[in-house]
Amino acid sequence: AQKITQTQPGMFVQEKEAVTLDCTYDTSDPSYGLFWYKQPSSGEMIFLIYQGSYDQQNATEGRYSLNFQKARKSANLVISASQLGDSAMYFCAMREGSGYSTLTFGKGTMLLVSP
Amino acid sequence: ETGVTQTPRHLVMGMTNKKSLKCEQHLGHNAMYWYKQSAKKPLELMFVYSLEERVENNSVPSRFSPECPNSSHLFLHLHTLQPEDSALYLCASSPQGASGGTDTQYFGPGTRLTVL
Repeated sequence: AQKITQTQPGMFVQEKEAVTLDCTYDTSDPSYGLFWYKQPSSGEMIFLIYQGSYDQQNATEGRYSLNFQKARKSANLVISASQLGDSAMYFCAMREGSGYSTLTFGKGTMLLVSP
Repeated sequence: ETGVTQTPRHLVMGMTNKKSLKCEQHLGHNAMYWYKQSAKKPLELMFVYSLEERVENNSVPSRFSPECPNSSHLFLHLHTLQPEDSALYLCASSPQGASGGTDTQYFGPGTRLTVL
């Protein structure tokens, strides 16, 4: 079974609107972390936001927020007020509690922001 | 200066060549990672180094050979590669390399490798 599932291969949004990118995860470890990365066409993976499994509140970083629903095992990324520069691939990733800090990535969602 | 740098950015090599990818991090981190990103596949972790010791090797073929001479530098030595090894190779670093806390991984821009 996939540990990270991103069901949206591609999403379209108009500039200045909000968009939600879906991510569900699968783990039996009570301690885990969830990450979102952005990958523009240049290739670099840019860290956006982190949510720990024990965090009581949803993480926010500027225009990015993470809608964390633990019981449903979902960690959706919400981008508010989309900008043209937000067009990129977005990856959800998970680190499980034990062992070294290795990440498991989803297949990604391509976001296109139109004027 | 950029946190994690990788050279070269692009590399084309024949199957009989030997080449090396270089990664350098300027963040004072203790752990470094090599990932492979092929078209239409999730990122695959290849190697993890923590304090210059290899702590994970995800069944990577021996034609890929990592080297970590110090906590700031990581190399990936390539020899007798196959066309299916063509991919984007990403290097990352993180503060601790161990679980607990955020220990966010920060990535370099990648080396786009083409094997002919």
